[in-house]
Amino acid sequence: DTGVSQNPRHKITKRGQNVTFRCDPISEHNRLYWYRQTLGQGPEFLTYFQNEAQLEKSRLLSDRFSAERPKGSFSTLEIQRTEQGDSAMYLCASSSQGVRYNEQFFGPGTRLTVL
Amino acid sequence: AQKVTQAQTEISVVEKEDVTLDCVYETRDTTYYLFWYKQPPSGELVFLIRRNSFDEQNEISGRYSWNFQKSTSSFNFTITASQVVDSAVYFCALRTSGTYKYIFGTGTRLKVLA
Repeated sequence: DTGVSQNPRHKITKRGQNVTFRCDPISEHNRLYWYRQTLGQGPEFLTYFQNEAQLEKSRLLSDRFSAERPKGSFSTLEIQRTEQGDSAMYLCASSSQGVRYNEQFFGPGTRLTVL
Repeated sequence: AQKVTQAQTEISVVEKEDVTLDCVYETRDTTYYLFWYKQPPSGELVFLIRRNSFDEQNEISGRYSWNFQKSTSSFNFTITASQVVDSAVYFCALRTSGTYKYIFGTGTRLKVLA
């Protein structure tokens, strides 16, 4: 068990470009979350998957953001037509079923810089 | 609406001092869950504790203790005999039943000086 991994760790892009991030959760975890964190703030919830189903999505998320978890394992987060305001750390977390389902394990994050 | 407030932006203590981090939450739901997470300088958030709204028992884990008081909507975190390794940003979070959305506070940066 190697924990939650995220790739890439850093991404620099120009405004208007599309970017995609990947998250690999802990293997037996069926719950997966995406968050965004900016400097000096706590993580901000973006979306939640249970297996392959996207069960909740923040209303703050614009149509430029989309997330998938096609086989209930890894997940991708895509941002289309990036804007400078999208610059942030994007965090992925996973959790298991059962009594510890609320205990989220976080990945190291992908830092996005939009120039 | 749900909200988590961590009024202390930054706290500095000298090693071996006790320190309490405050967390005040707002929710109209009667069933909810409260959490504390630690974010060390390395960056990855680490789960510390979860509390259910129907369980007001305080909890102690080694040098860490948590005081949950529904009457004041607070879930405070105390570190006894602080150590330099405790230096990190600590986040309090809230989740209400019926949603998978976790609401985090803005965090308290703790600096423990040797």
